[in-house]
Amino acid sequence: DAGVTQSPTHLIKTRGQQVTLRCSPKSGHDTVSWYQQALGQGPQFIFQYYEEEERQRGNFPDRFSGHQFPNYSSELNVNALLLGDSALYLCASSLLTAYGYTFGSGTRLTVV
Amino acid sequence: GEDVEQSLFLSVREGDSSVINCTYTDSSSTYLYWYKQEPGAGLQLLTYIFSNMDMKQDQRLTVLLNKKDKHLSLRIADTQTGDSAIYFCAESMGDDKIIFGKGTRLHILP
Repeated sequence: DAGVTQSPTHLIKTRGQQVTLRCSPKSGHDTVSWYQQALGQGPQFIFQYYEEEERQRGNFPDRFSGHQFPNYSSELNVNALLLGDSALYLCASSLLTAYGYTFGSGTRLTVV
Repeated sequence: GEDVEQSLFLSVREGDSSVINCTYTDSSSTYLYWYKQEPGAGLQLLTYIFSNMDMKQDQRLTVLLNKKDKHLSLRIADTQTGDSAIYFCAESMGDDKIIFGKGTRLHILP
C-alpha cells in the first residue's frame, strides 16, 4: 500500500514564476494538509483540504493556493515566487474523522 | 498563542540514553507528537501521546508528559547510530493543524 506520494521531488524555479506541486494521499485518506519547511526550521502549516474545500489556513499569503480533486489528490500552487519560498514542501494525508497523519517525502523547491 | 520550543542540539554516546525535551504553550492541545526526520527525507511519526496520559512506552522510546508544566520529553534507550536525525516535538487538537518545534538535532558519538 503506497503511502503519500509527492511530485516532483526537486524543482528549481526563477523569481516571479509560478509553481504547482502535487500530492496523492495514502489510500483511504480523505484530507490533505500542506506544510512548508524552510532550512533549519520546523514545518509550518499552509492549509488543509477536505471535500475539495480549504478547511483551515495558516499564516501564508494569498500567493499560496491549493486544490483538492474528487479522488482526494491535491495541488499546491505558489504564484510570483520569492527567494524566501525556497523550502521543502510536505504533504500530509489523514482521515478527517480519525487521528493519524502520514507525511510524504516532500518536494524541495529552490527559487533562484 | 501557539508555540513549541525545544533545544536545537544534543550529543549522546552510542549505547547511552538520549532525552529530548520540549515545552508547548497551547493548553488545549489534544495530541502531542514526536517526529523523526533523517537527511533529505520527510517526517516519520515516532510516537504520540494523548494529553490525558502521563507516560507512554514503545520499545526503546518513552514519552513523558507533564501537562501542568506543558513539558514533553522523549527518551531513547540504548541510542544507536541509526537514531541520528532531527527530532520534532509537535502538538495538535486532533484533526487540526500540527504545530511543530524547530527540531533537535541528535548527534551520536562513537
